[in-house]
Amino acid sequence: SAVISQKPSRDICQRGTSLTIQCQVDSQVTMMFWYRQQPGQSLTLIATANQGSEATYESGFVIDKFPISRPNLTFSTLTVSNMSPEDSSIYLCSVGQGIGAGELFFGEGSRLTVL
Amino acid sequence: EDQVTQSPEALRLQEGESSSLNCSYTVSGLRGLFWYRQDPGKGPEFLFTLYSAGEEKEKERLKATLTKKESFLHITAPKPEDSATYLCAVQAGSGGSYIPTFGRGTSLIVHP
Repeated sequence: SAVISQKPSRDICQRGTSLTIQCQVDSQVTMMFWYRQQPGQSLTLIATANQGSEATYESGFVIDKFPISRPNLTFSTLTVSNMSPEDSSIYLCSVGQGIGAGELFFGEGSRLTVL
Repeated sequence: EDQVTQSPEALRLQEGESSSLNCSYTVSGLRGLFWYRQDPGKGPEFLFTLYSAGEEKEKERLKATLTKKESFLHITAPKPEDSATYLCAVQAGSGGSYIPTFGRGTSLIVHP
């Protein structure tokens, strides 16, 4: 399984600012995803990070709020823009492996608190 | 729309007290059902994939089973180190999104 490193692991941010989360994988992977995990809630997919093209966003998530970059097969970034307290959450990078990329491997997550 | 419901939300066991966690699902053609373990402050850790009804997978004290409507994660003689949140996810097959849908998880605490 791939080893996934995320940073920062946690941060406290001020309302209206933006923060970029980095995700580094130790091997080349095709499928890379960004998830959000709010307290007491299930994992929610934000977007699929596509190498060399625009990310594919799920319903309720837009590029202006969550811009994603994926310059190569081992690295991606997620920016949370113009943050509000409602953006306080854990953000997780994951890669898909196995049949249909259904088996997901996750980074340690980035816990964001917006004041 | 794919749906995954896990029960109970929380479970407290004494060390050695076996039990089962439930994952009920509705999906248009199941491609796979996945179990994960998540420790506090960490990302989920992949445990098992089940593909068809009747299939079983085992790992140490954990055994996952699958029917056409639900999956069970059986924990035999649990130890305190088994304390974690267990997540279930399903992936649709024909005509559905390949993105797994997650349940909210069962928080398991095993007391020594």
